[in-house]
Amino acid sequence: GQQVMQIPQYQHVQEGEDFTTYCNSSTTLSNIQWYKQRPGGHPVFLIQLVKSGEVKKQKRLTFQFGEAKKNSSLHITATQTTDVGTYFCAGPSTGNQFYFGTGTSLTVIP
Amino acid sequence: DAGITQSPRYKITETGRQVTLMCHQTWSHSYMFWYRQDLGHGLRLIYYSAAADITDKGEVPDGYVVSRSKTENFPLTLESATRSQTSVYFCASSVGGERSPLHFGNGTRLTVT
Repeated sequence: GQQVMQIPQYQHVQEGEDFTTYCNSSTTLSNIQWYKQRPGGHPVFLIQLVKSGEVKKQKRLTFQFGEAKKNSSLHITATQTTDVGTYFCAGPSTGNQFYFGTGTSLTVIP
Repeated sequence: DAGITQSPRYKITETGRQVTLMCHQTWSHSYMFWYRQDLGHGLRLIYYSAAADITDKGEVPDGYVVSRSKTENFPLTLESATRSQTSVYFCASSVGGERSPLHFGNGTRLTVT
């Protein structure tokens, strides 16, 4: 079955440093979605990538979809304490199921 | 999101008891999902539903039962709770289609003693 892996599982950074999380799928994805979950909260949709090689930006966040549509990355420039949380990627499967990656938990040290 | 509500927020139950987690959405979304979240496993799909009276298994359906008699409700029942079902459960909904984002409820933290 489809598997979506994320690395790293945990990341601690000093405030102001950059952060990147990587998502890899065992199968080609028609699209990939990214979610953020604040501590004690629920996942919140951030963005969706559809096209091969697509790059999208949201302020300090840059999202990329690989050329083969099997991997994706989220890069945060100059992290802030408000970036703390767990970032998940998710890919669709048959029947509109969404399989989530294991997530990357980001801690920002002030 | 205020449009999807889960209850209760916290629940403690004993092994072997039946427990039902409720999920209600006001958007009339076609699709609804149940996920469980455990450390190291991310979010795993338990069951999902494409419409009223249509449900299907996800990755980890064993020990769970769902129903969807109305579009807005999607309860999840643990027929005989086990300690391994201690988890945080999230309900989500979407318009449908593989490009539709999921909207999550606030979650139910379930502890089975």
